[in-house]
Amino acid sequence: DAKTTQPNSMESNEEEPVHLPCNHSTISGTDYIHWYRQLPSQGPEYVIHGLTSNVNNRMASLAIAEDRKSSTLILHRATLRDAAVYYCILGAGNNNDMRFGAGTRLTVKP
Amino acid sequence: GAGVSQSPSNKVTEKGKDVELRCDPISGHTALYWYRQRLGQGLEFLIYFQGNSAPDKSGLPSDRFSAERTGESVSTLTIQRTQQEDSAVYLCASSSRGSYNEQFFGPGTRLTVL
Repeated sequence: DAKTTQPNSMESNEEEPVHLPCNHSTISGTDYIHWYRQLPSQGPEYVIHGLTSNVNNRMASLAIAEDRKSSTLILHRATLRDAAVYYCILGAGNNNDMRFGAGTRLTVKP
Repeated sequence: GAGVSQSPSNKVTEKGKDVELRCDPISGHTALYWYRQRLGQGLEFLIYFQGNSAPDKSGLPSDRFSAERTGESVSTLTIQRTQQEDSAVYLCASSSRGSYNEQFFGPGTRLTVL
């Protein structure tokens, strides 16, 4: 399995942007980059995914390095509700074998 | 439509007893995952079912853990002779090839072994 590396924890101030990094140096050409987050006492929920180009949706933006060996999840204005564990996962487009690691615990300070 | 459901939501058992946890995936989803999450920690992969293929059991922590799935429907995770370190939330997720592998999670079963 292609693996990802994320910092264990990060802190942010409310209303400020947050950049959550993920390294995936062994990514293969068919691997999509997925991000999920887990709010307290809930199961993980999908945030965003991409392959090569940067992606934007209502929740976040995903910036993918040109060599695809790293990516960054961008929350443009952190709110207290964004405090969660954020998981970066690789998954090939033609199968469902995606595994979650430990993720990054984001703390948002008022 | 209905999401992934799990039962029971909470289970308290005594050390040494067997427990069975159930997961109902979203209808039509070919893939089903089981994860374990200990308090304050990330998800730990346990087992993965994909259609009628042999399951990937590489994450099961010991032979006390087993799981079954009938076709593309319900799955049960069985823990035999439970130990206190088995206490955790057990999460189930399902996904379909048609949705860029997005995993949909159930609410989890909180298992407490006394």
